[in-house]
Amino acid sequence: GAVVSQHPSRVICKSGTSVKIECRSLDFQATTMFWYRQFPKQSLMLMATSNEGSKATYEQGVEKDKFLINHASLTLSTLTVTSAHPEDSSFYICSADRGPGGGYTFGSGTRLTVV
Amino acid sequence: AQSVTQPDIHITVSEGASLELRCNYSYGATPYLFWYVQSPGQGLQLLLKYFSGDTLVQGIKGFEAEFKRSQSSFNLRKPSVHWSDAAEYFCAVGVSPAAGNKLTFGGGTRVLVKP
Repeated sequence: GAVVSQHPSRVICKSGTSVKIECRSLDFQATTMFWYRQFPKQSLMLMATSNEGSKATYEQGVEKDKFLINHASLTLSTLTVTSAHPEDSSFYICSADRGPGGGYTFGSGTRLTVV
Repeated sequence: AQSVTQPDIHITVSEGASLELRCNYSYGATPYLFWYVQSPGQGLQLLLKYFSGDTLVQGIKGFEAEFKRSQSSFNLRKPSVHWSDAAEYFCAVGVSPAAGNKLTFGGGTRVLVKP
């Protein structure tokens, strides 16, 4: 139980295009979803926190107009990288909060390469 | 704000030998502590967590961790390492197990297992 499905696992896109990454909680409701970015051989850096039905809260230094987060339902959150550039190439991971005492369940990550 | 330090970037251990990964945290109150494992190109899998109670926590895959408040540490141990334990390990601290509270991750420790 407690699975978060993240798609796509890998995507290559051209510079200037937009890419959408989806995270779905398959067997529980995730009122809160966290989006992380991970550069090679580095730790996870929190980008934003999204709560179902409200605007996402972005960490300092993260461009909210570039990284659009939507959390329209209790089981789906999306991250859209708009007008992607090569420096946006990274590994993006979502994490769903399972509620009090439940901890956090992570998606399997998305490797984005912008060429 | 909370912070997490994993002093060892790389650790190489022989298969069958014991393993200990260090984690030190900084937080003004009782922290909620987690250890995650990440295989290359994958998301994070929870090994164990500490919220309260017994300071020695048992996790999956034969791992355990001990919370030592006096040392602000939450070191991860395994008595006998298997080749499949080669991965990146992350310690994380949260301010609360409740929904909506973000995790802060340490820099990670990469474990290499020699045959």
